[in-house]
Amino acid sequence: GIQVEQSPPDLILQEGANSTLRCNFSDSVNNLQWFHQNPWGQLINLFYIPSGTKQNGRLSATTVATERYSLLYISSSQTTDSGVYFCAVRYDYKLSFGAGTTVTVRA
Amino acid sequence: DGGITQSPKYLFRKEGQNVTLSCEQNLNHDAMYWYRQDPGQGLRLIYYSQIVNDFQKGDIAEGYSVSREKKESFPLTVTSAQKNPTAFYLCASNRGTNEKLFFGSGTQLSVL
Repeated sequence: GIQVEQSPPDLILQEGANSTLRCNFSDSVNNLQWFHQNPWGQLINLFYIPSGTKQNGRLSATTVATERYSLLYISSSQTTDSGVYFCAVRYDYKLSFGAGTTVTVRA
Repeated sequence: DGGITQSPKYLFRKEGQNVTLSCEQNLNHDAMYWYRQDPGQGLRLIYYSQIVNDFQKGDIAEGYSVSREKKESFPLTVTSAQKNPTAFYLCASNRGTNEKLFFGSGTQLSVL
């Protein structure tokens, strides 16, 4: 099956800092999504981004499908951005998830 | 409000017991999924269903069973054959397998 690798595994930020999370995948995909899991376990879909760039407030994402990677940018981070960020790619009718990046934003 | 409802929030299983986790959605989504999450790890697919009365095994289906008798419901049974059932279970749905995926709030299953 497809391999999905996320980096870094952990990230500690001071409030107000910017950061970039990376997702590499081993095969061509037509569906890539980014999720945020809050400390209570709820997963929220941030982006559906098989290619190109999208922005949603302080978050933005870019997927370069031909080079098999996607980036999630967090700008002016806030403590509410803390949690685990997952990318997921589709193969064979299902989404395969990476291991996630745990982000801690300190006040 | 439209959404995906999982119940119960916490569940305890005794040795040799089967337990059933509920998942209901009112989003009119065709596809539904069950994922398992272990501490510090990503999500692994247990079962998925693209349409009523049809479902397929995911990557870790052994020891689990599902049914899809209604479009809005996709219950998961953790059988006694699942020897390590302690995990966080997440139900998800979307309009189709290539669409944006939405999750319920999860069920934490523990073994007594």
